[in-house]
Amino acid sequence: SQKIEQNSEALNIQEGKTATLTCNYTNYSPAYLQWYRQDPGRGPVFLLLIRENEKEKRKERLKVTFDTTLKQSLFHITASQPADSATYLCAPSGYSTLTFGKGTMLLVSP
Amino acid sequence: DTGVSQDPRHKITKRGQNVTFRCDPISEHNRLYWYRQTLGQGPEFLTYFQNEAQLEKSRLLSDRFSAERPKGSFSTLEIQRTEQGDSAMYLCASSFMDWTGSGSPLHFGNGTRLTVT
Repeated sequence: SQKIEQNSEALNIQEGKTATLTCNYTNYSPAYLQWYRQDPGRGPVFLLLIRENEKEKRKERLKVTFDTTLKQSLFHITASQPADSATYLCAPSGYSTLTFGKGTMLLVSP
Repeated sequence: DTGVSQDPRHKITKRGQNVTFRCDPISEHNRLYWYRQTLGQGPEFLTYFQNEAQLEKSRLLSDRFSAERPKGSFSTLEIQRTEQGDSAMYLCASSFMDWTGSGSPLHFGNGTRLTVT
């Protein structure tokens, strides 16, 4: 069955550093992969989408890579800020429904 | 664009009661999704609609769960004979899927938190 793995432990980093979050998947060949941010008590908010034929996508301080051979996506936040503290969810998907990982909590301290 | 709205935000009910949640999607969107999320887990897919057609419902958790989307607008999720294990956040999302079938981002509401006592 499909399996999505994200760092289960919270990631603690200092303000200004680069945060790198990992998403691995098995038994799956997604056409694309999405990353979302979720704050406590709120619904997830879309950040970035990367397609299977793209290696890398950037948006402001965010960068996503997608390696279909390794079955892995990396999500980077450069120059991190305390406001970036949240849970980040990856969702490798086909053309119909999104399946989410458990998410990784990121804590950025001043 | 007022976003996806869900009602109520919180619902407390006694075991055995029926509950119904409502979701109003973004008006231009043709797809509507229901997810369930428990503490420490990612959203778990339940069902989705394309316009008024329910295209996937095998992942609904049991036959106590049902969803409707009359006229392809708002949607309701009903849980009959609630159990304590149904306590969770129920999230609704909408998106626009074009003719290419290419993935498009989901826009989520802020959910309905259900507590079954």
